[in-house]
Amino acid sequence: GQNIDQPTEMTATEGAIVQINCTYQTSGFNGLFWYQQHAGEAPTFLSYNVLDGLEEKGRFSSFLSRSKGYSYLLLKELQMKDSASYLCVGQAGTALIFGKGTTLSVSS
Amino acid sequence: EAEVAQSPRYKITEKSQAVAFWCDPISGHATLYWYRQILGQGPELLVQFQDESVVDDSQLPKDRFSAERLKGVDSTLKIQPAELGDSAMYLCASSSRWGNTGELFFGEGSRLTVL
Repeated sequence: GQNIDQPTEMTATEGAIVQINCTYQTSGFNGLFWYQQHAGEAPTFLSYNVLDGLEEKGRFSSFLSRSKGYSYLLLKELQMKDSASYLCVGQAGTALIFGKGTTLSVSS
Repeated sequence: EAEVAQSPRYKITEKSQAVAFWCDPISGHATLYWYRQILGQGPELLVQFQDESVVDDSQLPKDRFSAERLKGVDSTLKIQPAELGDSAMYLCASSSRWGNTGELFFGEGSRLTVL
């Protein structure tokens, strides 16, 4: 079957670094997305990994290990505005499998 | 900047009534998706279109839900009759590429409350 697992909630303080992990079991895996979703808003694209390794984009980085079925999203220099839900999304063929999201709360 | 347009943003209705949501994807995007997102959960695919054709509606409750994209551009999702459990955010998304979907662009969503 197709399955995406990620923690339900995480907390961190401003200026800190946080890592949100995601494991997946998907047949026909093509790649993995991370989306950010603020409460009551639509998801917005953060990153897309196809090959193993780390992709860095400003304060956000995403890592993929295809052999381990594992990804993480790394957020550096946390800001209050980073409080949101982070969705791990596996791509299998033309289908997208969404995780339930990790709610990150950033406090001062 | 191009956007996925959805309407209405908010809809309150009584159970057993009919509801319709509209979506206009980014111009030129052939692939269109309707997702349902219940509070605290990830989006769940309802239906996926490639141009005017349905390519995946396996999770669409077809006894009460219907979706169409007649000219391969904008799309309508209908619920009739609405039930209490249909209260959710209905998200429309579009993508420019078929196969390798690439980035998915989401609309702001239509939040449905069924009383």
